[in-house]
Amino acid sequence: AQSVTQLGSHVSVSEGALVLLRCNYSSSVPPYLFWYVQYPNQGLQLLLKYTTGATLVKGINGFEAEFKKSETSFHLTKPSAHMSDAAEYFCAVSEALQGGSEKLVFGKGTKLTVNP
Amino acid sequence: EAQVTQNPRYLITVTGKKLTVTCSQNMNHEYMSWYRQDPGLGLRQIYYSMNVEVTDKGDVPEGYKVSRKEKRNFPLILESPSPNQTSLYFCASSLSGTGNSPLHFGNGTRLTVT
Repeated sequence: AQSVTQLGSHVSVSEGALVLLRCNYSSSVPPYLFWYVQYPNQGLQLLLKYTTGATLVKGINGFEAEFKKSETSFHLTKPSAHMSDAAEYFCAVSEALQGGSEKLVFGKGTKLTVNP
Repeated sequence: EAQVTQNPRYLITVTGKKLTVTCSQNMNHEYMSWYRQDPGLGLRQIYYSMNVEVTDKGDVPEGYKVSRKEKRNFPLILESPSPNQTSLYFCASSLSGTGNSPLHFGNGTRLTVT
């Protein structure tokens, strides 16, 4: 079964600093990879996804992530943090199920705090 | 507006009193799913449905029931709620249920069972 590890349940950065949120997955087969963001009192929203092709994926709000197969990683970055980026971020990987369906396996989340 | 709508947003109940959390989507999605979110555990899948009248257990189905009589609706039923079901619940839908089809989430239902 797939597993997703997000290093650091809490990350704190200063406004304008680089944001780096780490995600590693367990699959030996290149999966579909996702980052979702959850703002307070809201559901999760898709930030970006990797399916095939270019390994550097650009998402909304200036975020991007790079798929590195050799490292089984999909780290999320943003060059300059903004106060509005404060949220919880979830990495997810697709897992094939019997019968052709798939499910998303989520990491435990990283709460990002942005300090003024 | 394309959305997944859950009701209620907040619910406080007592042990053993049956409850239903409704979920509806207006995007004609085939796939729907329920998750619970608990601190330090992330999101765990309860049940999912690939299509009308087709439902399957996720990772934590005990104590829950679902039905999919219509494409747009996927209610979550707790026949006899217990305090360990106190959690934040999310309904989600996607076009096909494959990894290439992103999930759209509702805004969540915070359930407290006393």
